[in-house]
Amino acid sequence: NAGVTQTPKFQVLKTGQSMTLQCAQDMNHNSMYWYRQDPGMGLRLIYYSASEGTTDKGEVPNGYNVSRLNKREFSLRLESAAPSQTSVYFCASRKVSDSNEKLFFGSGTQLSVL
Amino acid sequence: SQQGEEDPQALSIQEGENATMNCSYKTSINNLQWYRQNSGRGLVHLILIRSNEREKHSGRLRVTLDTSKKSSSLLITASRAADTASYFCATFLSGGYNKLIFGAGTRLAVHP
Repeated sequence: NAGVTQTPKFQVLKTGQSMTLQCAQDMNHNSMYWYRQDPGMGLRLIYYSASEGTTDKGEVPNGYNVSRLNKREFSLRLESAAPSQTSVYFCASRKVSDSNEKLFFGSGTQLSVL
Repeated sequence: SQQGEEDPQALSIQEGENATMNCSYKTSINNLQWYRQNSGRGLVHLILIRSNEREKHSGRLRVTLDTSKKSSSLLITASRAADTASYFCATFLSGGYNKLIFGAGTRLAVHP
C-alpha cells in the first residue's frame, strides 16, 4: 500500500513561474488536505477538500488554487510563484467517520522559488 | 494565528529520561491529536484524546487534556534516541471535523 503519494519531491522555480503539485491516495479516503511548513514552524492549512467535488480555504490560501480531480487525487497549483511560497508542502488524507479522525501524510514536496 | 501552541519549543534530554511537552489551544475542541515528525519526513499520528477524556495511554505515551485550561500534555516515558523528532498537537476547529489546525511543535532531542 502506497498511502499518500506526492510528486515531485523537489522543485525549483523562478519567480512568476507556475506549477502543480500532485497528490494521490489509495486508501479510499474522503477528505484531503494541503499544508505548508516553513522552517521551525508547524503546518499551516492551505486548502482542504472534505469530499469529492468540494474544496474550501484553510488558513493561508492566497496565491494557491486546488482541484479535487476525483476521490483519489487532490492537486495544488501555484499560478505565479513568489519567493514567499518557498516551503515544504504536505498532502494528507482522512477517512471520515466518527471514530477515525487521524490524518495520513505524504512525504512532502520541497519547493524553492528564486 | 495557529490554534495550538507547544511548549517548550525545544527539549534536550538523555536516554531513559521522561519528556513532557505541553500544548495550549484557543477555542473549544472536539478532540486533540498529537503527531510526530522525523526530520524531513511527513507527520505520523500518535494518539487522539477526545474532549470528554482526561487521560489516555498508548505504550510509552501518556496524554492528558484539561479543557478548562485549554491545554494538553504529552509525556514520553523512558525516552530513546529514536524518539528524537518534532512533536505537534492538532485540533479540529469547533463545530467541524474538516479543518485540522497544527501548533508550531516541540523539537525533542534524546541523547544516548
